Amino acid sequence: GAGVSQSPSNKVTEKGKDVELRCDPISGHTALYWYRQRLGQGLEFLIYFQGNSAPDKSGLPSDRFSAERTGESVSTLTIQRTQQEDSAVYLCASTPEAFFGQGTRLTVV
Amino acid sequence: AQSVTQLDSQVPVFEEAPVELRCNYSSSVSVYLFWYVQYPNQGLQLLLKYLSGSTLVKGINGFEAEFNKSQTSFHLRKPSVHISDTAEYFCAVKHIIQGAQKLVFGQGTRLTINP
Repeated sequence: GAGVSQSPSNKVTEKGKDVELRCDPISGHTALYWYRQRLGQGLEFLIYFQGNSAPDKSGLPSDRFSAERTGESVSTLTIQRTQQEDSAVYLCASTPEAFFGQGTRLTVV
Repeated sequence: AQSVTQLDSQVPVFEEAPVELRCNYSSSVSVYLFWYVQYPNQGLQLLLKYLSGSTLVKGINGFEAEFNKSQTSFHLRKPSVHISDTAEYFCAVKHIIQGAQKLVFGQGTRLTINP
């Protein structure tokens, strides 16, 4: 596609439910990042995928967070048993040029 | 630890005045450097990047930045700002480590242009 596409654009969920966020990177981009941006704050690194190498998961805040990517295609970020502090915009970027998607705004109520 | 520091969380400037947004980084390896802009309620947009070559990099919307290796800085400048430049600006560093590339962001600088 022409850019990085994320879905859904907005998600409201109840505390304790699981959510799955999707990122479609730019075709041919081998690397993909997930970031979290809380209201009024900077970008918090979550996870990085580079081709078929083991992902860098050092930014995942807890074991409730996980992400997958098959090859150089779509990635999904899953948050289990959501908590109110998980409310944020979740951003995906594909590289080498680090183009960002519009993000998914997650609200946990 | 590798990090990015944006020294000013907020910068108020009058329209048509010059502006400099400061960014310093710490790294013991080679880096690539980026500035992103985030307009209100929008996603991140790449302003400019330094990969190699000339240390003065020109980007979109009249912005430029200079890579200073000895001072580990990559400050963003614009000679004359416009109301439409009001946004959050993020500096980012990509550390090249054994083929892996981790993109680390600063906390952002909120640029407010006053008429």
